[in-house]
Amino acid sequence: DAGVIQSPRHEVTEMGQEVTLRCKPISGHDYLFWYRQTMMRGLELLIYFNNNVPIDDSGMPEDRFSAKMPNASFSTLKIQPSEPRDSAVYFCASRGGLGTQYFGPGTRLLVL
Amino acid sequence: AQSVAQPEDQVNVAEGNPLTVKCTYSVSGNPYLFWYVQYPNRGLQFLLKYITGDNLVKGSYGFEAEFNKSQTSFHLKKPSALVSDSALYFCAVRDSASGGSYIPTFGRGTSLIVHP
Repeated sequence: DAGVIQSPRHEVTEMGQEVTLRCKPISGHDYLFWYRQTMMRGLELLIYFNNNVPIDDSGMPEDRFSAKMPNASFSTLKIQPSEPRDSAVYFCASRGGLGTQYFGPGTRLLVL
Repeated sequence: AQSVAQPEDQVNVAEGNPLTVKCTYSVSGNPYLFWYVQYPNRGLQFLLKYITGDNLVKGSYGFEAEFNKSQTSFHLKKPSALVSDSALYFCAVRDSASGGSYIPTFGRGTSLIVHP
């Protein structure tokens, strides 16, 4: 298995631009998680899905952030408009049932 | 409610010496406990987990962790540290209690530095 796949690996954009991060979970996993990692705040859970349905988005910082999972093999995290304080590493993770979570390599976002 | 604490931001150890990275937890029911490692510019990688059974759990790269219910701890250990073990280590807990969150809570991470 290729593991959790994220794209792009690096993204540099200017304030106000739309940013879309993509994730392909491990096949067969029914949970998908989006995390954000910064030095100041550590690892934060933004939102998670179960069977493509968003279950808890209480970690999404603002309305500028949105996430979708149109099918079992694809999810997006969108930031519109982006701000410099959104600069962070964004991780996607997936899990099968109550099993172990597996993380993707992350997308390093820099908003200028 | 579930919570996890990693009391040390950084652990320094000499190569060849034993290492311990500490983790304590709080849950309502029984804990499911995990350790992950993050190398620079990489995602978190699963090391080991405790669900039930033997209190000493063996994982990847020679790491092991000991579950101690009375002390609510799950410390990560390795008998002989390598420079290549230098990384950020995360402990995570999930509560098995009915009605509890099935989403793990992660600690803030402990930076392990192994000196040559």
